[in-house]
Amino acid sequence: RKEVEQDPGPFNVPEGATVAFNCTYSNSASQSFFWYRQDCRKEPKLLMSVYSSGNEDGRFTAQLNRASQYISLLIRDSKLSDSATYLCVVTQSNTGKLIFGQGTTLQVKP
Amino acid sequence: NAGVTQTPKFQVLKTGQSMTLQCAQDMNHNSMYWYRQDPGMGLRLIYYSASEGTTDKGEVPNGYNVSRLNKREFSLRLESAAPSQTSVYFCASRIGTGEFSGNTIYFGEGSWLTVV
Repeated sequence: RKEVEQDPGPFNVPEGATVAFNCTYSNSASQSFFWYRQDCRKEPKLLMSVYSSGNEDGRFTAQLNRASQYISLLIRDSKLSDSATYLCVVTQSNTGKLIFGQGTTLQVKP
Repeated sequence: NAGVTQTPKFQVLKTGQSMTLQCAQDMNHNSMYWYRQDPGMGLRLIYYSASEGTTDKGEVPNGYNVSRLNKREFSLRLESAAPSQTSVYFCASRIGTGEFSGNTIYFGEGSWLTVV
């Protein structure tokens, strides 16, 4: 089983739709969690960190469920510019390793 | 600030040739990483360096070696390139070591490597 798993999609949604992605992780010692965005043929860039209490940044909401070992990303009012691959990242405090999910591809259609 | 700079951006190698991917960061970060990204596989960790003077294997280290030359630079070497090493390689860094794991990761722009 992979340490971090995501549904690769693609998720095809119309503009204005709400879409949610989940990411599961296997190591209960994991300490920090992030969502990164990657555009085609570009490097990943930080979208948002995921805090235990959940956090929101504009149209984006991230949540952590430690009991079930998953994190989620909710995008409201999707824009064409949201089309990208969204990567879940989990860090482990004892090793310093950063573990990436394979990414979930989102295509927002007009 | 240049951030994370990696070279070359594109390279074509013949099977059996060797080459080194260079990576440097100017953010005074402690941790540096090399990942490869293949279609459908996501980013897989090759090697990482939690601090200057230390290196550790990641998920897919076979066929690669690394050198943490100083705090700024972390190079990745392919001693005898194979077609299976055709991939996009990303160098990354972050300020923290293992105990400060909540810091943003910064990536270089990627190196597209083809082995024929």
